Amino acid sequence: AQKITQTQPGMFVQEKEAVTLDCTYDTSDPSYGLFWYKQPSSGEMIFLIYQGSYDQQNATEGRYSLNFQKARKSANLVISASQLGDSAMYFCAMREALYTGANSKLTFGKGITLSVRP
Amino acid sequence: DTEVTQTPKHLVMGMTNKKSLKCEQHMGHRAMYWYKQKAKKPPELMFVYSYEKLSINESVPSRFSPECPNSSLLNLHLHALQPEDSALYLCASSHREQILSLKNTEAFFGQGTRLTVV
Repeated sequence: AQKITQTQPGMFVQEKEAVTLDCTYDTSDPSYGLFWYKQPSSGEMIFLIYQGSYDQQNATEGRYSLNFQKARKSANLVISASQLGDSAMYFCAMREALYTGANSKLTFGKGITLSVRP
Repeated sequence: DTEVTQTPKHLVMGMTNKKSLKCEQHMGHRAMYWYKQKAKKPPELMFVYSYEKLSINESVPSRFSPECPNSSLLNLHLHALQPEDSALYLCASSHREQILSLKNTEAFFGQGTRLTVV
């Protein structure tokens, strides 16, 4: 079963406006973490923001914030004041705690392409 | 130093060749990962190493052979690959998971090796 769902088609936003990228997830584990990554055309995966399942507040990192709605199992990324350099593919990802002492895998959604228009 | 360094950046190999991809990090991370990524698709996990021991193998064909010689290095040995193995191979590293907390377990990625099998 797909654990991370990103269903939006390619997104477009005007420079300096805000944009929301949607992500829903599926897990029965009470301890999990949600991550957003940016991948420009150069290929490098850049970590943006993290939200833990036990975190009481929504995560924020500069122009990035995460709208975490635990009951709805959604973790949407909000980018404020879009810049041309924000044009990239954006992936939502999740870890589920293993409790074994080993690290769990980071599972990615299929991604959303964001294009910022000048 | 927050870098994961992968070499080579590009590799073209024949189906009978043997080659190796290398990955290095000096962030003190004790978890390291290999991902395979096709164009416009999400990264797919291949292997996870925790404390230099292979902890997850996602049923990867034996023509891919990982090796973790020490806590800073991760190799991927390639032998008898097929053209469909052509992809971007991403290495990543992260801190170990703590009990009930996945905070600070974001994976840091290298820029990848673009592999073409001819």
